[in-house]
Amino acid sequence: VQLVESGGGLVQPGKSLKLSCSASGFTFSSYGMHWIRQAPGKGLDWVAYISSSSGTVYADAVKGRFTISRDNAKNTLYLQLNSLKSEDTAIYYCARWTTEGIGDYWGQGVMVTVSS
Amino acid sequence: EIVLTQSPTTMAASPGEKVTITCHASSSVSYMHWYQQKPGASPKPWIYATSTLASGVPDRFSGSGSGTSYSLTINNVEAEDAATYYCQQWNYPPITFGSGTKLEIK
Repeated sequence: VQLVESGGGLVQPGKSLKLSCSASGFTFSSYGMHWIRQAPGKGLDWVAYISSSSGTVYADAVKGRFTISRDNAKNTLYLQLNSLKSEDTAIYYCARWTTEGIGDYWGQGVMVTVSS
Repeated sequence: EIVLTQSPTTMAASPGEKVTITCHASSSVSYMHWYQQKPGASPKPWIYATSTLASGVPDRFSGSGSGTSYSLTINNVEAEDAATYYCQQWNYPPITFGSGTKLEIK
């Protein structure tokens, strides 16, 4: 199992960014997936969830600004980040979620820095 | 949203000591998960469903609890256990995490 995030970088407040998480080594379409972020020196903060059937749930802090999606044909998870704020600065991890409710595999993370 | 309160925030232990980290939930949850994270690395699943050790986790680790009170215990702590430990609950999204406990080894 491997999860590899990409698409991070430095972006100005109010701008957009799209993160990708390429999955391999398992049947991607069968798993719910999450995005979880970690601000520098801080704890883990859940961002969004997409089920195997593409139902979605968002944290209040990102609702209306971020969109999680998946392309099962490409084994890829996405996170579209719009109207970015400085408080969105963090490492963003994608994680595979088990039916027991734990992230059993995590990507290495991708850094998003929102600054003018 | 269920809030998870971990204690202590930081702690230092000597090799061979017993260490206990607690996680209190604002409402009853069915079980608790735990992660270990070392600097510069992704979180690793450590304890599933309150008390099941993830693959490769030494058996000096254990988990217990129910309802609103859960704990992670390390018997005979070793230098390699230095890390930050997070509890996590999932009744349904939103998932919530505790704020973390940083364990330092003297």
